[in-house]
Amino acid sequence: NAGVTQTPKFQVLKTGQSMTLQCAQDMNHEYMSWYRQDPGMGLRLIHYSVGAGITDQGEVPNGYNVSRSTTEDFPLRLLSAAPSQTSVYFCASSYVGGITLHFGNGTRLTVT
Amino acid sequence: SQQGEEDPQALSIQEGENATMNCSYKTSINNLQWYRQNSGRGLVHLILIRSNEREKHSGRLRVTLDTSKKSSSLLITASRAADTASYFCATDEDTGFQKLVFGTGTRLLVSP
Repeated sequence: NAGVTQTPKFQVLKTGQSMTLQCAQDMNHEYMSWYRQDPGMGLRLIHYSVGAGITDQGEVPNGYNVSRSTTEDFPLRLLSAAPSQTSVYFCASSYVGGITLHFGNGTRLTVT
Repeated sequence: SQQGEEDPQALSIQEGENATMNCSYKTSINNLQWYRQNSGRGLVHLILIRSNEREKHSGRLRVTLDTSKKSSSLLITASRAADTASYFCATDEDTGFQKLVFGTGTRLLVSP
């Protein structure tokens, strides 16, 4: 099993550019989420989804959009990148009703 | 808002020694989890303790939970160089068990 796959691993953007971070899981998990990890801040929840067509905001949603058209995929879109979005982004999934999260290996994003 | 604070921020020990790290949180929880993150990788679930439990063991790991003090500790016994990683506690907000809130982490270095 591949588990949770995130692409790309690394990305450099200029301020104002847009991009989509991809996340796919092959475990048939209904719940998927995006976190960002910044030094000294731990992980903070950006957006999450409990199933196809259902998304909701987490703690730090501003500047990010998500959609969930399939169970497998949960892309994170940055519409106009800002230097404050420089971070490492993690996608995680779980069964609804499950408690533990399965994480991808992250995307390291730098916005200049 | 950040739920957990971990202490110490960094810990350096020799192989064979025990490592103890602590986590404090702010609100009522249903359960508390510990995750490990190796450098450049995603988080991996280690152990979960429910709010009605006081202690739990898994291999070389021992977790305690004191809900009256809103704190938990993770003990790794007989540490190995392979235990070098960052360790995070994560709690569920009382209203949504899958919206995990992570602590700031403890960086553990185990020297041979």
